[in-house]
Amino acid sequence: EVRLVESGGGLVQPGGSLRLSCAASGFDFSTTWMHWVRQAPGKGLLWVSRITSDGSNIDYADSVKGRFTISRDNAKNTLYLQMNSLRAEDTAVYYCARDWYHCKDYWGQGTLVTVSS
Amino acid sequence: DIVMTQTPLSLPVTLGQPASISCRSSQTLVHSDGNTYLSWLLQRPGQPPRLLIYKISNRFSGVPARFSGSGAGTDFTLEISRVEADDVGVYYCMQATQLPHTFGQGTKLEI
Repeated sequence: EVRLVESGGGLVQPGGSLRLSCAASGFDFSTTWMHWVRQAPGKGLLWVSRITSDGSNIDYADSVKGRFTISRDNAKNTLYLQMNSLRAEDTAVYYCARDWYHCKDYWGQGTLVTVSS
Repeated sequence: DIVMTQTPLSLPVTLGQPASISCRSSQTLVHSDGNTYLSWLLQRPGQPPRLLIYKISNRFSGVPARFSGSGAGTDFTLEISRVEADDVGVYYCMQATQLPHTFGQGTKLEI
């Protein structure tokens, strides 16, 4: 069974940092591209970042470029999102999602990040 | 960026009746590899999104046959043949043809 479990969310002050993790199981993580997608409270879905299976290719949404860093540890079956210089508008539930033929077929339950003083 | 526009944004339906949601993209979603990476997802209240349809018309594993997708180029449709209570939630179309991947605003289906 495919399972994605996010962690690391919480309350952080503007300008602060947070690192999210996504523990994957039930599939061959090392051969799978992965995504982060976020959803602000009461709002729609926004793609954040994507990383290829070996980490050699990475892309970001313009709104997070230069502030967020996606990475992975294939030995630990874990995806990460390092978030720096956080702003109030980064407040959202952050989901990790598996890439499957350009779709996002499995999603984690999400972790809430709140940026507030 | 490709803009995805869904209509309607709110869809009141009657149990057992059909429902239809439209999604239009600002550019063609035909990828250079010939595929069209248009998906439909359902987000039930308090849940993460769940994949229903991929590449316009392919039902994902475990998705009931009452869900179907159609369309081409820039115009796409999700249809539910007979709505059930379990179908309540917000439906999103999503394009993965071009980065950044983008989503429609969502259509809230309610009984």
